[in-house]
Amino acid sequence: NAGVTQTPKFRILKIGQSMTLQCTQDMNHNYMYWYRQDPGMGLKLIYYSVGAGITDKGEVPNGYNVSRSTTEDFPLRLELAAPSQTSVYFCASSHGLAAGGTQYFGPGTRLLVL
Amino acid sequence: AQKVTQAQTEISVVEKEDVTLDCVYETRDTTYYLFWYKQPPSGELVFLIRRNSFDEQNEISGRYSWNFQKSTSSFNFTITASQVVDSAVYFCALNQRDDKIIFGKGTRLHILP
Repeated sequence: NAGVTQTPKFRILKIGQSMTLQCTQDMNHNYMYWYRQDPGMGLKLIYYSVGAGITDKGEVPNGYNVSRSTTEDFPLRLELAAPSQTSVYFCASSHGLAAGGTQYFGPGTRLLVL
Repeated sequence: AQKVTQAQTEISVVEKEDVTLDCVYETRDTTYYLFWYKQPPSGELVFLIRRNSFDEQNEISGRYSWNFQKSTSSFNFTITASQVVDSAVYFCALNQRDDKIIFGKGTRLHILP
């Protein structure tokens, strides 16, 4: 099992550009999450999904969009990148609280917006 | 409101010393889970332990041990005989009914050789 995979590992964007961060899990988890971690800080939830076709906002959704067309994939879209979106982005998945709620994380995508 | 507080921002100890990382949580739910994650310098987030709200037994795994006390809403993590490889940021987290994990701000642990 690969677990949770994320691509790309690192990306530099110019202000105003757009990009999609990819996340795939092979553990058949219904729940998937996107977090951002700013330097020296903790994790902030951007969006999450409880299953294919269902998404909801987290703590810091502005400037981002998500979709969940399959159980395995949960891409995060950045529209009109801004320097404030410079961060490390982590995708995670879990079976949900009924099964203990442990979230398993991908390796992260480091994004620099200049 | 739910909240996780890790009051220790940064700790430095000399190798082989014991060190305890504190975690205090707030929740109104009676069913919840608590977690510890490790983030080494390489950046990935590694799951260490999960504890549910109905199980207050302490747990030991090698040099790691966890002390869960509902009476004080604490879930502390102790590393015995610390090693340089334990240097990392450690996050305590709370998951309750809405399935959104609340993370503490983390404690950066430096183990000095």
